[in-house]
Amino acid sequence: DAKTTQPTSMDCAEGRAANLPCNHSTISGNEYVYWYRQIHSQGPQYIIHGLKNNETNEMASLIITEDRKSSTLILPHATLRDTAVYYCIVIGTSYDKVIFGPGTSLSVIP
Amino acid sequence: KAGVTQTPRYLIKTRGQQVTLSCSPISGHRSVSWYQQTPGQGLQFLFEYFSETQRNKGNFPGRFSGRQFSNSRSEMNVSTLELGDSALYLCASSLEDSRNQPQHFGDGTRLSIL
Repeated sequence: DAKTTQPTSMDCAEGRAANLPCNHSTISGNEYVYWYRQIHSQGPQYIIHGLKNNETNEMASLIITEDRKSSTLILPHATLRDTAVYYCIVIGTSYDKVIFGPGTSLSVIP
Repeated sequence: KAGVTQTPRYLIKTRGQQVTLSCSPISGHRSVSWYQQTPGQGLQFLFEYFSETQRNKGNFPGRFSGRQFSNSRSEMNVSTLELGDSALYLCASSLEDSRNQPQHFGDGTRLSIL
């Protein structure tokens, strides 16, 4: 499975859109892009996933570039409760090849 | 709908002991995976079970084992505990073993080895 690269940390003003980038330049055609977030002392929370097309749900939007080498998670109106570590991972044939990197620590500032 | 439930939430053991952790998946979910999370190594995959069969296994020693029951509940066991086994152990369940199905995580069992 492909490895992902994310910025270590980001800040976002409360009420503004948070755009979190992820690079997955070695992604294969059958691998999905997944986003999770983790708030301290809790388990990771599923946010959204996609294969080729852009996706939107009640939590966020996922924009995947046409070449699939990168993606952006968009939280449209960030709140203080969105402060968390955000993980971008690529999942293909099996979970044993999934690599969770250090993720992006997002701080939403009042 | 109840989420993934892991018990116990906290556990303290000493070196050489063994431990069993329990996971109840979301109702209807048949795939259960286990992960280890440490500050140094991050989240690492341990194993995945589907319909009582181990489907995948991560790069962990044989001291780490697991099983899944017919009701999809799962347990993992660690024998001969070492200090380095101190970690947050996370269980995740998904509807099927398809990679188009998201995994939903519990809040974990925090294991401390003295």
